[in-house]
Amino acid sequence: NAGVTQTPKFRVLKTGQSMTLLCAQDMNHEYMYWYRQDPGMGLRLIHYSVGEGTTAKGEVPDGYNVSRLKKQNFLLGLESAAPSQTSVYFCASSYSPNTEAFFGQGTRLTVV
Amino acid sequence: DAKTTQPNSMESNEEEPVHLPCNHSTISGTDYIHWYRQLPSQGPEYVIHGLTSNVNNRMASLAIAEDRKSSTLILHRATLRDAAVYYCILRDFSSGNTPLVFGKGTRLSVIA
Repeated sequence: NAGVTQTPKFRVLKTGQSMTLLCAQDMNHEYMYWYRQDPGMGLRLIHYSVGEGTTAKGEVPDGYNVSRLKKQNFLLGLESAAPSQTSVYFCASSYSPNTEAFFGQGTRLTVV
Repeated sequence: DAKTTQPNSMESNEEEPVHLPCNHSTISGTDYIHWYRQLPSQGPEYVIHGLTSNVNNRMASLAIAEDRKSSTLILHRATLRDAAVYYCILRDFSSGNTPLVFGKGTRLSVIA
């Protein structure tokens, strides 16, 4: 049972480049979340999804887009990366709003 | 989600009990109290959650005040591995569209 898997684990981008982070879960969870965590800071919610085909904005959505075409996958896109998007990105999933959320191990992204 | 207030940091000696407080004076009747923790360089992990009654699991105990305006996470015997940031989060179970939002949490240091 893999749980929540994030791809890639590390990435260096140049300013202006685009990329997609993949979050995959094998627990048939409805809810999925994307967070960013800057050094020494707490987690901030970027976008989330309450089911296949749905997405919603979190606390810091600007500069990011998401898609949930398949229930098991939640994609986070950066269309034009900026140095301010250098961060560690975490994905999470849960069966419902009131059950345990499982987190991936994170993607460390550096934008130069 | 209603707001929670936690101390920025706490310190404990190894093998002693730790009581981590959380104030949530604006909690509603449909808010569950969730606790997560984040070990260094890892994604957050679920610890425990409850509604009104005290809860116990293999990791910790959750004591909820009778008026539900505060709660305490209890680690019965702190180990060095328990050094982490602990987050207290309220989640409304009546809404199907409730995100999982983290505050700043309490940084717990465990001294050998």
